[in-house]
Amino acid sequence: GAVVSQHPSWVICKSGTSVKIECRSLDFQATTMFWYRQFPKQSLMLMATSNEGSKATYEQGVEKDKFLINHASLTLSTLTVTSAHPEDSSFYICSARVIGTSGRTNYEQYFGPGTRLTVT
Amino acid sequence: GDSVTQMEGPVTLSEEAFLTINCTYTATGYPSLFWYVQYPGEGLQLLLKATKADDKGSNKGFEATYRKETTSFHLEKGSVQVSDSAVYFCALSASNTGNQFYFGTGTSLTVIP
Repeated sequence: GAVVSQHPSWVICKSGTSVKIECRSLDFQATTMFWYRQFPKQSLMLMATSNEGSKATYEQGVEKDKFLINHASLTLSTLTVTSAHPEDSSFYICSARVIGTSGRTNYEQYFGPGTRLTVT
Repeated sequence: GDSVTQMEGPVTLSEEAFLTINCTYTATGYPSLFWYVQYPGEGLQLLLKATKADDKGSNKGFEATYRKETTSFHLEKGSVQVSDSAVYFCALSASNTGNQFYFGTGTSLTVIP
């Protein structure tokens, strides 16, 4: 249980185009989803916290107009990288926090498999 | 603020060797502690966790004990296998910081036959 999926798993796009990444909780509802970015051989950097039905909260230094986050339902959050540039190439990982029922603790995050974005 | 410091890698061990990856934390509240594992090209998988002092998390032969007195959560395994080769992340989450996760920098482990 507690499976989080991401789509696509990898994408290559041209500079200047926009890319949308989906994050879904498959067997549970998540009021909160998180988006992380991971550079090669580095740790995860939290980009933003996404709450269902409200605006995302971005971490300092993350451009909210460039990384658009939509959390339209309790099982889906999307990250759109707008006007992508080569420096946006990275591994993007989402995670979802359960609503604290059915024996699952409400502080644990379940991570998606990640999406590798390459901007040429 | 809250933070996690873990042993820098990379770590290379022979199969069946003993593994220790050190992790210490700083937190103002009472955090839960986690170890995640990331295999090449994949996302993070929860390896084990501990939610309060003196708890021991264990899974797949890995263990870690929540030591409040030393603010540590070191990962250990008595006999590593080639399939354990991955990057290991120590992390904490505390309710007084909105349950936000703080990750260490990761330790790369390579196990050679």
